[in-house]
Formats: sequence, C-alpha cells, structure tokens
Amino acid sequence: AQSVSQHNHHVILSEAASLELGCNYSYGGTVNLFWYVQYPGQHLQLLLKYFSGDPLVKGIKGFEAEFIKSKFSFNLRKPSVQWSDTAEYFCAVIPPSNYQLIWGAGTKLIIKP
Amino acid sequence: DAGVTQSPTHLIKTRGQQVTLRCSPISGHKSVSWYQQVLGQGPQFIFQYYEKEERGRGNFPDRFSARQFPNYSSELNVNALLLGDSALYLCASSPGTGTQYFGPGTRLTVL
Repeated sequence: AQSVSQHNHHVILSEAASLELGCNYSYGGTVNLFWYVQYPGQHLQLLLKYFSGDPLVKGIKGFEAEFIKSKFSFNLRKPSVQWSDTAEYFCAVIPPSNYQLIWGAGTKLIIKP
Repeated sequence: DAGVTQSPTHLIKTRGQQVTLRCSPISGHKSVSWYQQVLGQGPQFIFQYYEKEERGRGNFPDRFSARQFPNYSSELNVNALLLGDSALYLCASSPGTGTQYFGPGTRLTVL
C-alpha cells in the first residue's frame, strides 16, 4: 500500500545537538510535501512545505528539509536544537491528482535541557 | 486574523449516540478537510469539501457524513457512535489546493 513512513517514533537529544528526522513516501509522480509540528497542548502548525523548485526548503524556527526525488525522501533537519523544540513532528504528502494529506505516524522529539 | 476554529473543544458521548462537530475556516478559504487522529498515530483523512461540494472521502464508514455551508463553515456528523470513534477530530482549511491550516481539534470520548 502506498504510504508515508517516518523512521523514528521517539528521538531524545540534548540541547545544541543536530537533528535529522527521516520521511519517505511511496508515491510516484508530482507530490506536495509538508512537515507539521504539534507542540504540547497546541494544534498542528506548518513548519515548511515543498511544491516545486529548490529542493532545499527553509521553514520556521530554523528548520529546513531536503527533497530527494530519487530517494522518495523529505528529511527534516535543524543544526542545533533547543529545549523548546520538544514536540511531535509529522511528515505529510499530497499524492498526485489528489487533495488529501497522507500522514506519517509522527516522531516524538524530546530535548533534554 | 482568526485561524481555524472548532467547536466544541471536548465532547463525551455514549455508544450509539450521534455527534455533530463544527468548523469555521480561515476567512477567504473555500476548502475544509476533516481528519481523525487516534492517540499515537498520524491523522487519517475523512472528508474534503470545496465550494460546498465533496471533493474527497477517506476510508470511513457511512456513519460519518459532512457538509459545507455557503459561508464555507462545515459540520462533521457521526452516527451510531462506537468506542473506536474516540479520537481527536481535526479540521483544516485551505484556499483551494495545497497547504492546509489546522484548528485545535475536538476531543471526542465515547463511553
């Protein structure tokens, strides 16, 4: 079945560590790609998105993601995490000729102060 | 500007009852989508409406229905509630296609 996969369900890092969260999808053709974040007690917020153009996308709060078409990947990165980055991160895809978001299972990120 | 709003925030129902959840999109957005998020999982698509027409339906039983009103607000109805319907129900709005912006959700508990 076509899907979106996030490799790590839980990640624990110390402040100032570098972060990379993996996301792979299984849809061919042109896709729209998203990373959303859900901070504790808050609703889903858009971190960044890729529709076309430069495959390196910069989002809010110092996050970036790289679209690698050949690997069907859209990994999220941040060079130096902060305690306030503790949250759940979701990768989502709009498949070709579709409007719905298909979601990964999410990665819970805990940053130790 | 106001974001997506949903009501109620929390709801407790018993098995077999019916529930109606409400969503108001961001001003100017004509599309509303509904998702179900069970604890520990990513959201699952239920419906999408655009200009008051259903544009997509996920793999949910016919007990789930929705509609969109002329002011682009939307309601999600669930009949004959089951314990497994307990979840966070999310509403998202978008201008048409592409980026969806989410509301805070309605937490439904079925006892």
